Amino acid sequence: DQQVKQNSPSLSVQEGRISILNCDYTNSMFDYFLWYKKYPAEGPTFLISISSIKDKNEDGRFTVFLNKSAKHLSLHIVPSQPGDSAVYFCAADTDKLIFGTGTRLQVFP
Amino acid sequence: GAGVSQSPSNKVTEKGKDVELRCDPISGHTALYWYRQSLGQGLEFLIYFQGNSAPDKSGLPSDRFSAERTGGSVSTLTIQRTQQEDSAVYLCASSLGSGAFFGQGTRLTVV
Repeated sequence: DQQVKQNSPSLSVQEGRISILNCDYTNSMFDYFLWYKKYPAEGPTFLISISSIKDKNEDGRFTVFLNKSAKHLSLHIVPSQPGDSAVYFCAADTDKLIFGTGTRLQVFP
Repeated sequence: GAGVSQSPSNKVTEKGKDVELRCDPISGHTALYWYRQSLGQGLEFLIYFQGNSAPDKSGLPSDRFSAERTGGSVSTLTIQRTQQEDSAVYLCASSLGSGAFFGQGTRLTVV
């Protein structure tokens, strides 16, 4: 039973435009979420996080939004750059990280 | 070192052989996790250590899989009698609180 879901396996965005990656979760007790980026042949690297006491967290070009009532979070990247092309995983932080299945983002020139 | 280190980076083994994968976490990190990523799949949780104890082994796929952690530091993931479906990238992560830092992974290929 997938507790963290990323329903879009892939996303293609033009350079300079906004990328929006979505994530849904099922357990309303989850209260801390993270986004990781993964390049091929490398381990995932931490990108940005959000606590349930907030509904938005911003770090440069990256913003994460949390809608607790909908049990939904999203990662916005603006403007998107070709170097952002990677697989993005959202995760709920409980005693372990529960990951979604990932969304492959491709940013084209 | 400054980050999580895993060895070997690549391992090719024959079906039926045993393999050991090693993880050196970030110094001082009390929590250690093993995940694996099969081709085209997401990150599958295997096991979690807090110190030397493993409060959550729920993700280990079968009794061929085991892991230990000694001295609250290095961890070894052992797969006995490997099968082709064990082929994956095995990722280790460590944490001191919220979030986790990952190693580069061990790519295991069972032929």
